[in-house]
Amino acid sequence: EAEVAQSPRYKITEKSQAVAFWCDPISGHATLYWYRQILGQGPELLVQFQDESVVDDSQLPKDRFSAERLKGVDSTLKIQPAELGDSAMYLCASSFSGGLRSDTQYFGPGTRLTVL
Amino acid sequence: AQSVTQLGSHVSVSEGALVLLRCNYSSSVPPYLFWYVQYPNQGLQLLLKYTSAATLVKGINGFEAEFKKSETSFHLTKPSAHMSDAAEYFCAVRSTGANSKLTFGKGITLSVRP
Repeated sequence: EAEVAQSPRYKITEKSQAVAFWCDPISGHATLYWYRQILGQGPELLVQFQDESVVDDSQLPKDRFSAERLKGVDSTLKIQPAELGDSAMYLCASSFSGGLRSDTQYFGPGTRLTVL
Repeated sequence: AQSVTQLGSHVSVSEGALVLLRCNYSSSVPPYLFWYVQYPNQGLQLLLKYTSAATLVKGINGFEAEFKKSETSFHLTKPSAHMSDAAEYFCAVRSTGANSKLTFGKGITLSVRP
């Protein structure tokens, strides 16, 4: 069964450093999502892509976070500089675009970020 | 606007006992509703979803949920808990519009006692 791939699985960094996370969605999924999940809470959407275009980045802290999906396939989420409060699980998800199959998002294993 | 309320953060049951995890939603339009399960240090796995078809939805691993519009609820149940059901469970809601956002509850941790 096809899965969403993410790397790295774990990342430890010091504050003020730059970090980047990578996501490869399920083949054929035009919509890609990045979520942040703080310990003990549900995931919160950071950014949503439709192909290579950003559909929703209203909750993305744009002063330090950036996301791209240049060829409409895999995606990178970057934080620069990292802050202590950025410690969280970063989840990537993907779904079909439009139609009945678009209602279900499939999640990757996540990247656990610890900022020291 | 849409939101999900999952009352309580932790539920503990004995192996073989009924599992009931509560979820109430708020949505200004007919919603789609989902239950996801998350095991430690893993991503979320879809258990089941309601998308305006049958109100009683059956999912994987013996779980089911019933959509009750009058109560704005979508509670998750399983007749007999298994040790492997111990995990965190998230209820989520989204509207039926294109590109609508998935909003999650805070999650409930399920523990299963031998």
